Amino acid sequence: GENVEQHPSTLSVQEGDSAVIKCTYSDSASNYFPWYKQELGKRPQLIIDIRSNVGEKKDQRIAVTLNKTAKHFSLHITETQPEDSAVYFCAAASGGSYIPTFGRGTSLIVHP
Amino acid sequence: DAGVTQSPTHLIKTRGQHVTLRCSPISGHKSVSWYQQVLGQGPQFIFQYYEKEERGRGNFPDRFSARQFPNYSSELNVNALLLGDSALYLCASSLGKSGADQPQHFGDGTRLSIL
Repeated sequence: GENVEQHPSTLSVQEGDSAVIKCTYSDSASNYFPWYKQELGKRPQLIIDIRSNVGEKKDQRIAVTLNKTAKHFSLHITETQPEDSAVYFCAAASGGSYIPTFGRGTSLIVHP
Repeated sequence: DAGVTQSPTHLIKTRGQHVTLRCSPISGHKSVSWYQQVLGQGPQFIFQYYEKEERGRGNFPDRFSARQFPNYSSELNVNALLLGDSALYLCASSLGKSGADQPQHFGDGTRLSIL
């Protein structure tokens, strides 16, 4: 089955800095890569996703890049704000079911 | 529009008991998936239902079962509860079978504690 590794487990940045979270996956058939943000005690919320036919996708301060050859994808957050503080999960899904396998999460802390 | 709703929000059980968790998807969504999230880890897939049929099953024992009703709501049942079943149980819905153009939307979850 699919295996998703996510790094780092904790990321601490100053407000205004950029943050990068990296994930690798094992199943070359994976073709859908969503990212979720989960604030303490709240539901995971989809913040951005990318399909395997695209190398990069951007939405305001958030961008995701995908390298299919190396089987890794990354989340980039620019101009971080304290409200970006949360746990971020990457996931990979394949085939017709698109049932995602999640990484272990990255706790992002943005210091004002 | 209401999002995915789950009940109850919190539940305390003892070992050996059984539990039923409930989920109502977003109106119009036909697919429901269940996940288990242990503290400090990402959600782990348990089941996916689409049009009342099981479309996917994760690596969980037979003590876990689920079903989907004609109105697309769903129940997750867990029998013979173990301490290790303590977790946040998340339900997610999507329009059809989860797909790249049909992302999953999560509910707030049910926090299950086993004593």
